[in-house]
Parts: sequence; C-alpha cells; structure tokens
Amino acid sequence: SAVISQKPSRDICQRGTSLTIQCQVDSQVTMMFWYRQQPGQSLTLIATANQGSEATYESGFVIDKFPISRPNLTFSTLTVSNMSPEDSSIYLCSVAMNYGYTFGSGTRLTVV
Amino acid sequence: KQEVTQIPAALSVPEGENLVLNCSFTDSAIYNLQWFRQDPGKGLTSLLLIQSSQREQTSGRLNASLDKSSGRSTLYIAASQPGDSATYLCAVRQGSGNTPLVFGKGTRLSVIA
Repeated sequence: SAVISQKPSRDICQRGTSLTIQCQVDSQVTMMFWYRQQPGQSLTLIATANQGSEATYESGFVIDKFPISRPNLTFSTLTVSNMSPEDSSIYLCSVAMNYGYTFGSGTRLTVV
Repeated sequence: KQEVTQIPAALSVPEGENLVLNCSFTDSAIYNLQWFRQDPGKGLTSLLLIQSSQREQTSGRLNASLDKSSGRSTLYIAASQPGDSATYLCAVRQGSGNTPLVFGKGTRLSVIA
C-alpha cells in the first residue's frame, strides 16, 4: 500500500503569515487531493492536484489563499496564505490507489 | 450532489459490547465505500473498502455491509475494546477515476473500560 509522509505534523502560526505543508508519496500517482477538517467537522475537499497542470479548486477555495504545487508524480505542497484564526484546522493530503484512498497523517494548524 | 450522513454522531458503550455504526448516502450510483478511523488530531486510517458489487467485507472484529440500492452501509464492531475509541468516518467514491471521496461527519465512539 502507498505511504504518504506529511510535514509538519502540527504548527502554531501568527495571523497574517503563511504555512506550507508537504506531502511525499512513496509511489507515483496521477492525482493528489487536499482536504481541510475544521474542528468538530468532517473532511472538505480543497482542491485536486494533477502533475503538470494547475490545481482544480472546489467552491469556496481560491488559489490565492491556498496555492498548490505539484512538481512531480510523488510530491505536492499546499500553502495556507495570510492566515487568520478561521484557518485553524487539520489539513490532509490523499491519493487514490486501486484498493482505496490513503491519507497522510495530517497537519494540525493553529493560528493565533 | 452526493450527501453522506452518519448516525449516531456520538456513542458511548461499555467494553465488550457489540455495536453498529450507520452510514447513508443519497446517490446510490457509487463506485465503492470506505470506512476510516480517525484518532483525535490525527490522520485517517483505512479500515474496510467495499466495492459497489460487494455486500460485505470483514477484517478481524470489524464487518462492513453495503446495500447500494437503499443507500446504506453499516460498520459492525464485535467485542468492543477501549482501544476502539475514535471517530469513524464513512466515505463514498462516485467514479472509477481519480474522483475525490465524499465524507460523512463521523461517529465519535467511546468504549468505557
């Protein structure tokens, strides 16, 4: 099964700053998905990242706020820009494999 | 638009009890359904995957069933243990390609020793 290494596992950031989250997969995958989980809520899809093209964002999420890079088939980053306390959430990356979806261990972000 | 609902939102049971978690979805045209476990502040661990053509899957003390036509799935946990305490998430996949999962809000389970 695929293994995803996600970093950092947690961070406390000042409002107005940016944080970049990294996901490294141990096999090549076409698509990577980025999710947000706000406190007490389920997972909401932010965007889908395909290597070599711009990410596709879901309604309510914009590239200026959540820029995504996908430089190759095993790596992606999500940046949370100009953070506010409302951005405090767990952020997770995911890939689809034949046997189902695999998730990174998550990044727990607190904005103060 | 697919919507996934999980009932109950929270459940507390004594150790050793058998329990059932419920998941329903509005669009029965799913490719598969996956159950996950999430410990507080952590990522997701896949428990069971049921393809749309299957009726159930088993792994150890866990059994998941799928009734695609009625839009329902259940996760049965036998002989619950305190280590089973976590949030259980149900998610459906609509297509065979790289389509994202649609999640329910989860059931928060507490198993009391």
